[in-house]
Amino acid sequence: NAGVTQTPKFQVLKTGQSMTLQCAQDMNHEYMSWYRQDPGMGLRLIHYSVGAGITDQGEVPNGYNVSRSTTEDFPLRLLLAAPSQTSVYFCASSKTPTENTEAFFGQGTRLTVV
Amino acid sequence: RKEVEQDPGPFNVPEGATVAFNCTYSNSASQSFFWYRQDCRKEPKLLMSVYSSGNEDGRFTAQLNRASQYISLLIRDSKLSDSATYLCVPREGGANNLFFGTGTRLTVIP
Repeated sequence: NAGVTQTPKFQVLKTGQSMTLQCAQDMNHEYMSWYRQDPGMGLRLIHYSVGAGITDQGEVPNGYNVSRSTTEDFPLRLLLAAPSQTSVYFCASSKTPTENTEAFFGQGTRLTVV
Repeated sequence: RKEVEQDPGPFNVPEGATVAFNCTYSNSASQSFFWYRQDCRKEPKLLMSVYSSGNEDGRFTAQLNRASQYISLLIRDSKLSDSATYLCVPREGGANNLFFGTGTRLTVIP
């Protein structure tokens, strides 16, 4: 059972570089989302998607782009990395956005921007 | 006001103790509630769902007070393996997104 898979697990970027964090799920879940977790802040929603072709902004979307071309994949792009984007990023999926179902998380990507 | 407020702790308790965490939420439209557990440097995992007034699963009991807008988690007979951060997560009815508290850190001491 793969569940939600995130790659890479660790990444160091220089300020101004761009990169894509990958997220894939094999549970045929409609709903996928990206969170960042910073010390003392809890998980904050960056972007989310309720299905293929549909994305929307969360609480802290600035500096990030997403797309959802397939049900399985939901990549997160950092356009111009900044030190403020140093964080742990979690991708999550759940069966549908409106049912009271469990959200499954990937193992996280630890990103450091220097 | 924050959407979700939790006492960050840490709570340090001996094995076998009973410990309770509280969580208050500000969105009165929240319909369902979850407790997630997060181990150090790991992803959150669902511990319990709370839909009506409460839920019990073994040593864990969650209670919901809608009038006062708080949820609690009670852990009985604490085990060393219960050491983790416990995240309170309300969800607005019909809405997509989860709102996470900052979590309460529990350390169970031998």
